Amino acid sequence: SAVISQKPSRDICQRGTSLTIQCQVDSQVTMMFWYRQQPGQSLTLIATANQGSEATYESGFVIDKFPISRPNLTFSTLTVSNMSPEDSSIYLCSVEFRGSYEQYFGPGTRLTVT
Amino acid sequence: DQQVKQNSPSLSVQEGRISILNCDYTNSMFDYFLWYKKYPAEGPTFLISISSIKDKNEDGRFTVFLNKSAKHLSLHIVPSQPGDSAVYFCAATAGSARQLTFGSGTQLTVLP
Repeated sequence: SAVISQKPSRDICQRGTSLTIQCQVDSQVTMMFWYRQQPGQSLTLIATANQGSEATYESGFVIDKFPISRPNLTFSTLTVSNMSPEDSSIYLCSVEFRGSYEQYFGPGTRLTVT
Repeated sequence: DQQVKQNSPSLSVQEGRISILNCDYTNSMFDYFLWYKKYPAEGPTFLISISSIKDKNEDGRFTVFLNKSAKHLSLHIVPSQPGDSAVYFCAATAGSARQLTFGSGTQLTVLP
């Protein structure tokens, strides 16, 4: 396993603004992912953060709305752009180590858009 | 189209008894299944997993059973403890895709 941290842990933002969420892992990992958990819902994969190249987005998620960076094997950011109240969710990063299917999650960022 | 379903949103059991959480899936390409536990204000914690080539995997108090023909898996917790009270998610992945598809979760409450 690994220690995974996210910043910020929570934020309240005005509609139309953007928020960047950081995910830091204490060891190098092969795969990093970003998920969203809307209120009362399950976890939905937003994208796979690829080191050194563009992220791979799931159906319904686009780069203009959720730009992702992954400059190295221990760090990634997710930006929620031009926010609306519908973006109020918990955003979680997860990591997977080489040879394992298990993903380990960060503590999450609780975002409220007013 | 929910590919992974947890039909029981909640379950209550007495401390010391067995907790059985169920999960059904529709995608026959899924070949690896996982269970996660989530406390409020925390990220999900990996509990146990099972490959489609097995029908049972055990780790301490936790056992996962897989019935491929029925596309059904279950998590057994024996004995249940109050600290087990949390939301439990099952998840599945297919081949090299690595993406996890999650069920909707079951809130387990273990009563002292």
